[in-house]
Parts: sequence; structure tokens; C-alpha cells
Amino acid sequence: QVQLQESGPGLVKPSQTLFLTCTVSGGSISNDNYYWSWIRQPAGKGLEWIGRVYSSGSTNYNPSLKSRVTISVDTSKTRFSLKLTSVTAADTAIYYCARDNSGYDDYYYYYMDVWGTGTTVTVSS
Amino acid sequence: DIQMTQSPSSLSASVGDRVTITCRASQDIGYYLTWYQQKPGEVPKVLIYTASTLQSGVPSRFSGSGSGTDFTLTISSLQPEDVATYYCQKYNIAPFTFGPGTKVDLK
Repeated sequence: QVQLQESGPGLVKPSQTLFLTCTVSGGSISNDNYYWSWIRQPAGKGLEWIGRVYSSGSTNYNPSLKSRVTISVDTSKTRFSLKLTSVTAADTAIYYCARDNSGYDDYYYYYMDVWGTGTTVTVSS
Repeated sequence: DIQMTQSPSSLSASVGDRVTITCRASQDIGYYLTWYQQKPGEVPKVLIYTASTLQSGVPSRFSGSGSGTDFTLTISSLQPEDVATYYCQKYNIAPFTFGPGTKVDLK
């Protein structure tokens, strides 16, 4: 049973860089054919897709954040990370990591089927 | 980029009511749509993918339909445990944008 757990600072100062890590347990990032995603949700608001990474390092990003975001996979293949630069109060949110499950079964399917519990990040001086 | 909208933004219904939520894409996305349910204090859970395929373990009172730009999530008989916010998400090409959500509660 794959489980994901986010970790990182709960408080970041404006203009600084946010680093978050998602640790994968019960499975390996490199052994399975999955993408690994980051999503965020401001308190009381909707979900925002940030981007995703494949075990090879290939990435897709949300254009609205692309200039500030980097998602990477570490060499041990048990963690993937989010780096968000020049943060502002608008980046305050719960940040989730998730596993993308996709493939073909008559049709091309896609959904995020395993989620971390989320980590709250506040941007404030 | 393709924009996703949902209507209504919130609704109140009684137990046993039929509930319909609409998701609209600003461009044709084919069948590349997933629906999620997020209960208060919980992480999202996938309900339906490829617009109409029910995820294993999801009650059959949930169904999805549509293609192209207009999609529908239907709860045939609302139950108390269905109180949640429902999100659609497109996945034809990145970015995999979510709709703004529809909050469902009990009347």
C-alpha cells in the first residue's frame, strides 16, 4: 500500500523560497509507471494543480506558476520535491502531493489515486 | 489554457434527492475528465474518470456523463455521507486544471 507524506516548513517569509518534500513509502517512484504531482488548496478554497514529475525527471507545470516552480525527483527515488520561489501571501495554502494513475483501458484514464495528508504552509513575515 | 467552470457553486438538497452538478470546459476536452469528492477535513477522493467510468468502490448512485465541453455528475439519491465539495479536473493536456468546485450540503 503506497503512502505519501509531505514535509517542510510551516512558515515562510515573503520573497523567500519554499521547499517541500513528499516521501513515498510502500513503493518506489522509479519502479512504477506513475507521475507524481503537487496540488495546493488555500483555506476554504478550491484545488490548484501545481505540476508533476516522472521518475525520469520529466515535468509538467501550471503556466501560472511555471516561472517560480521546480518539481524534482531525488536519486534514491523515494522522494520528490517542490521548490517555489519568491513566495507571497497568495501562496499560503495546504500543499498536497499525490500519485497520478494513468493508462489505457479502452480509453485513456487519469486520476490521482493516492494523496498525502497535506501540509499547511503560511507565508508571513 | 483551457478554463473549467462548475455550476452551481453550491447547493442544498434533501436526503433522497437527485443532485446534478455541471462542469464545463472552455474548449473541447473529449472524455478527458475526472471527478473528485472532498469531504470536510479530508483529501480528495476520485469518483469518476474518463467522464463516465465509476472508480472501484464508489457507490453506484454516483454517475458521470458528457464529452467535449459539457459534463455532468449525478447523485441519484443523496445520502448524508455525500456532503462534500465536488471538483472536476481535465486531463487532455497539461495543465490538469480543476474546476472551482461545487459544495453540496443537506437541506
